[in-house]
Amino acid sequence: AQSVSQHNHHVILSEAASLELGCNYSYGGTVNLFWYVQYPGQHLQLLLKYFSGDPLVKGIKGFEAEFIKSKFSFNLRKPSVQWSDTAEYFCAVGSNSGAGSYQLTFGKGTKLSVIP
Amino acid sequence: DAGITQSPRHKVTETGTPVTLRCHQTENHRYMYWYRQDPGHGLRLIHYSYGVKDTDKGEVSDGYSVSRSKTEDFLLTLESATSSQTSVYFCAISRSTGSEETQYFGPGTRLLVL
Repeated sequence: AQSVSQHNHHVILSEAASLELGCNYSYGGTVNLFWYVQYPGQHLQLLLKYFSGDPLVKGIKGFEAEFIKSKFSFNLRKPSVQWSDTAEYFCAVGSNSGAGSYQLTFGKGTKLSVIP
Repeated sequence: DAGITQSPRHKVTETGTPVTLRCHQTENHRYMYWYRQDPGHGLRLIHYSYGVKDTDKGEVSDGYSVSRSKTEDFLLTLESATSSQTSVYFCAISRSTGSEETQYFGPGTRLLVL
């Protein structure tokens, strides 16, 4: 079974600082990778996803992530954070189950607090 | 917006009572999922459905059952609620583009079991 590790539980940054959130997964097969964001009191929203092709993926709101196969990593980056980026960020790995459905395994999340 | 609604959005119940949460989708997706979200655990899959009357267990299915009698509705039932089932419950659908599947989430139901 696959697992996803997000190493930082809580990250605190000042506005305009650069962000990098780590995500490592353990899965031997073909992986599909996702980052979701959850703003306070809201549901999960898709930030970006990787299925194949260019390992540098650009998402919404200026976020990007790089898939490094040799390191089993899919780190999320943003060059300059804003107060509105305060949220919890979840990395997820997708795989096909035996019943033909597609399942996600989530990391435990990283809370980002941006100080104005 | 993935056209997903969940009801109720908030519920307080007592230990031992049955509780049913409803997920409704408007886009005719085949796959639907129920997750629970707890601090420090991320989201964990409870049950999923791959068609009408076709369901299977996820990682944390004990104490939960599901039903899907029509494409648009996926019900989650806590047969006898316990305090450990206090959580936020999210429904999701899977939207496919060719071979690429992406899950989109509903607004969630916050459940408190006293």
